Amino acid sequence: NAGVTQTPKFQVLKTGQSMTLQCAQDMNHNSMYWYRQDPGMGLRLIYYSASEGTTDKGEVPNGYNVSRLNKREFSLRLESAAPSQTSVYFCASSEGIGPHQPQHFGDGTRLSIL
Amino acid sequence: QKEVEQDPGPLSVPEGAIVSLNCTYSNSAFQYFMWYRQYSRKGPELLMYTYSSGNKEDGRFTAQVDKSSKYISLFIRDSQPSDSATYLCAMTLNSGGGADGLTFGKGTHLIIQP
Repeated sequence: NAGVTQTPKFQVLKTGQSMTLQCAQDMNHNSMYWYRQDPGMGLRLIYYSASEGTTDKGEVPNGYNVSRLNKREFSLRLESAAPSQTSVYFCASSEGIGPHQPQHFGDGTRLSIL
Repeated sequence: QKEVEQDPGPLSVPEGAIVSLNCTYSNSAFQYFMWYRQYSRKGPELLMYTYSSGNKEDGRFTAQVDKSSKYISLFIRDSQPSDSATYLCAMTLNSGGGADGLTFGKGTHLIIQP
C-alpha cells in the first residue's frame, strides 16, 4: 500500500524554468493538498482540492497553479520558477475536508531553484 | 491571526526518559489539535489527534490540551532512540479543513541518546 506518492524526489531548476510536481494517492481519498516546508517557517498550505473537480487557494498560492487530474492525482505547477520557491514540497490527502479527517503525507519533493 | 509557537530545539534526552513537547497558540478559535512525527527526509505522519481539553493516551504517547491556557503538550514515556525525529504540532479551526487547513508549529527536533 503506497499511500501518497510524489515524483520527482529531487529537482534542480534554473530561474524562469517551469516544472510540474506530481502527486498520486491510492487510498480513495476525496481531498488533496499541497504544502511547502521551509526552515524556520513550518508547513504552509499552497493549494487544496476538496474533491475531484475543485481547487482552492491556501495560504501561499502566488507563483503556483494546480490541477486535480482525477480522484487519484493532484499536480502542482511552477510556471516561472524563482529562487524564493526553493523548498520541500509535500502532497497530502484525506478522506474529506474537515477537522475529523486526518491528512496523510507523501515523502516530499526537494526543489532547488538556482 | 493564526500563530502557533513551538520551540525548535534540539531537545536531547537519554533513552528511557519522559519527554515533554509543547506548543502555545494565540487564536482561541482553534478547536482540533494534532501531533505529527517527521523523520529526516520523510513526510509527517499523524501520531495523535484530540478535540477536547484534557488528556488522550495512546501507548507511550499522551496528548494534553489546555484550551484555557492555549497550550498543548505531547508526552513520550520510556523514550527510545527510534523516537528521534521532529515533532510538529498542528491545529485547525472549528470550521476545519479548506482554506483554513492545518496551522502547523515549526517543529521540535528531538534526539534520544542511547
